[in-house]
Formats: sequence, structure tokens, C-alpha cells
Amino acid sequence: NAGVMQNPRHLVRRRGQEARLRCSPMKGHSHVYWYRQLPEEGLKFMVYLQKENIIDESGMPKERFSAEFPKEGPSILRIQQVVRGDSAAYFCASSPPQGGSYNEQFFGPGTRLTVL
Amino acid sequence: ILNVEQSPQSLHVQEGDSTNFTCSFPSSNFYALHWYRWETAKSPEALFVMTLNGDEKKKGRISATLNTKEGYSYLYIKGSQPEDSATYLCASHNTNAGKSTFGDGTTLTVKP
Repeated sequence: NAGVMQNPRHLVRRRGQEARLRCSPMKGHSHVYWYRQLPEEGLKFMVYLQKENIIDESGMPKERFSAEFPKEGPSILRIQQVVRGDSAAYFCASSPPQGGSYNEQFFGPGTRLTVL
Repeated sequence: ILNVEQSPQSLHVQEGDSTNFTCSFPSSNFYALHWYRWETAKSPEALFVMTLNGDEKKKGRISATLNTKEGYSYLYIKGSQPEDSATYLCASHNTNAGKSTFGDGTTLTVKP
């Protein structure tokens, strides 16, 4: 049973470009979370999604960031017009369908985004 | 307590020592407290999910307790080994919607 997969592992973008980060949850998991770790900081919640629904996006920056988790395929975190301050490690985690906050979250290896 | 706070920030112990650290979290609207172990160059690995006041959970030499009324959890490691060296994170859930607030972690270094 493969774990949570994220790709790419490393992504380099120039200012103004778009970044697309992908997360494939563990088999059987329908909940996905995205977290960001800025340099020298801790993990910060960004968004919580279930299949085809955004449940809580209170941690997402107001502009340029969006997330989706379609019925088929991976969850995508999209950052438009990237700026240097977006350079960070982006982690996703998945959990099973029931249980909400009572469920363990399984983390992917992260995507390290560098904006030049 | 409005944020999740972990102490100490870092800890250096000798192999064989037992150690413990603290996670303080908002006690209002408490749903769950998660502990993770995060080794360098890897991703966070779930240790415990704690939900009930007075909960005590154990996995090998690592155990954790929970006090939801006063808003704290302790993580204990008995007989630390070099392979226990990692950052230990706690995350508080104050809704059932999945959103969590992480502490900054306690970084443990166990010297052989």
C-alpha cells in the first residue's frame, strides 16, 4: 500500500510563474490536508479538502493560492504569479473517510518550492 | 493559551536517559491532540491521537498523557536511544473539520 505521494519533490520557478503541486493520498483516503513550512518556521495549516469539496481553507493566503481535490486524480495546490516569499516546503497529508480530527494523518514527503 | 506551545525548544540527552516534553494548547472547543515525530529529511510520522481527558497512550518506549481541562499533554521517552533523535511536534484540533494548529516542536538529540 503506497503512502502519500507528492510531486514534484523539488520545484523551481521564476517570479510571476505558476506552481502546481500534486498530492496523491493513500489508497482509501478521501481527506487531504495541505501544510506549508516557511524557512525557519513551523508547519502551518493551509486547507482541508474532501473529494470535490473544500471543507476549510482558512489557512490559505487570500490571493494567488487555490486548491482542489477532484473526483478523479490527485489533489492540486496551485500558486499563481509566485513571489520569493512563496519559497517553502509544502506538505500534504491524507486520512481515511470517517473520523475527522480523530484520525491519524499520513504525510507525504513534501514539495520544496524555490522561487528565483 | 491561544496558540500551541511546546517546551523546551530543544533538548540534548545521553543515551539511556529518560526525558519528557510539554505541549500546551487551547482547552476550549478541544477535539483532539496529535503527536508526530519528524526526522530530518523525512516527513512527519504520526505517533498518537489523543482525545479524552486523562488519556494515556504508549508505543514502545514512548508514551503520552493528556489533560484537556488545563490544556497540556506530556510526551515521555524512556531510555532514549540515538534513533529517537528527531523533532517532536504536537498539533491541536479545536474543530472536527480537520484544521489543526501545530506547535514549533521540541528537537531531541540523543548522544551515544
